[in-house]
Amino acid sequence: NAGVTQTPKFRILKIGQSMTLQCTQDMNHNYMYWYRQDPGMGLKLIYYSVGAGITDKGEVPNGYNVSRSTTEDFPLRLELAAPSQTSVYFCASSDGRNTEAFFGQGTRLTVV
Amino acid sequence: GNSVTQMEGPVTLSEEAFLTINCTYTATGYPSLFWYVQYPGEGLQLLLKATKADDKGSNKGFEATYRKETTSFHLEKGSVQVSDSAVYFCALTHLFTGNQFYFGTGTSLTVIP
Repeated sequence: NAGVTQTPKFRILKIGQSMTLQCTQDMNHNYMYWYRQDPGMGLKLIYYSVGAGITDKGEVPNGYNVSRSTTEDFPLRLELAAPSQTSVYFCASSDGRNTEAFFGQGTRLTVV
Repeated sequence: GNSVTQMEGPVTLSEEAFLTINCTYTATGYPSLFWYVQYPGEGLQLLLKATKADDKGSNKGFEATYRKETTSFHLEKGSVQVSDSAVYFCALTHLFTGNQFYFGTGTSLTVIP
């Protein structure tokens, strides 16, 4: 079972560039999430989705966009990258029944 | 609102020492509670969970009991190993939160031989 797969694992962006972080899951989960992890700050929710075609903002959505055209995929788009977006990004999914979330391996992004 | 507060680290213990990492939560109703572990360079993995009051989650020698009266879910292990060195996160989710997960800030544990 692949679970939640994120690509790329590492990326360096220049200020003002854009990129898409890919996330796919093979567990047929309706709920998907994007978190960022900054040192000593825990995980902050960026966006989440409760099913294909439905997305909503989390705690820190500014500077990001998402889409959910299929159950499996939940890409995160960064437009006009800024140094404040240097972080580790995690995608996660759950079946939405008060059970655990499954996490990808993370994408370490540096904006210079 | 919903939130999780966990013991600040870092924590350094000798092998075979007893471990406690405190976690308290604020939530409406009866959330599900989790402990996740993150090894260096990896994503978060579920360590254990509890879905109702007085439930005890356990895995790999770790335990945590869902205490509604004290809104706590403290993580314990009787004898830690070097391989337990990692960052531990307490988390909650709830149907009333739209199944969003709320995480504590994480506690870094280092076990020395």
